[in-house]
Amino acid sequence: KAGVTQTPRYLIKTRGQQVTLSCSPISGHRSVSWYQQTPGQGLQFLFEYFSETQRNKGNFPGRFSGRQFSNSRSEMNVSTLELGDSALYLCASSLAGGFGSNSPLHFGNGTRLTVT
Amino acid sequence: GQNIDQPTEMTATEGAIVQINCTYQTSGFNGLFWYQQHAGEAPTFLSYNVLDGLEEKGRFSSFLSRSKGYSYLLLKELQMKDSASYLCAVSDSNYQLIWGAGTKLIIKP
Repeated sequence: KAGVTQTPRYLIKTRGQQVTLSCSPISGHRSVSWYQQTPGQGLQFLFEYFSETQRNKGNFPGRFSGRQFSNSRSEMNVSTLELGDSALYLCASSLAGGFGSNSPLHFGNGTRLTVT
Repeated sequence: GQNIDQPTEMTATEGAIVQINCTYQTSGFNGLFWYQQHAGEAPTFLSYNVLDGLEEKGRFSSFLSRSKGYSYLLLKELQMKDSASYLCAVSDSNYQLIWGAGTKLIIKP
């Protein structure tokens, strides 16, 4: 069974640009969550999608947005990039996820975004 | 606010035992997870505790005390491949995961 796939693995952008990251979950998983990981900060929750609907959202500005397609693939977009957006962005899928469930998360290897 | 505390870094010797602690203060509790993350790789699920007590899985065990807001991950017979970061995460009243910053474990020969 293929794992969670994230593309691209590495990305370098300049301030003010926008970026789109892609995530393909494990087959059969309907929940996709996105996290930002920076050294010393741990994983910061961005949002979670289930069946194309955003079910939970973290405390990030509106520049961070996402969507999920009918095949459960998800994209995350960051507009007007800032230097502080440099981080590892991780996508995780689970069977159910979200409210009422404690399905373990299966993570992709992440996209490392560098903003210069 | 919600808070998860773990030591930043720990060092242990190959073959020994190490205990990684995690204390939490969250809005509600619906379980605690431990994940392992090797450098440059994705976190992988290790264990889940929702009731008090010890859960054993081979060389790894995880303990939970809900009344104390405390958990630990116990690693026995340490191997060099256990060098990694260990992440503690608590599921709050909304089943949203709150993550600790992780503990970097260094294993020395």
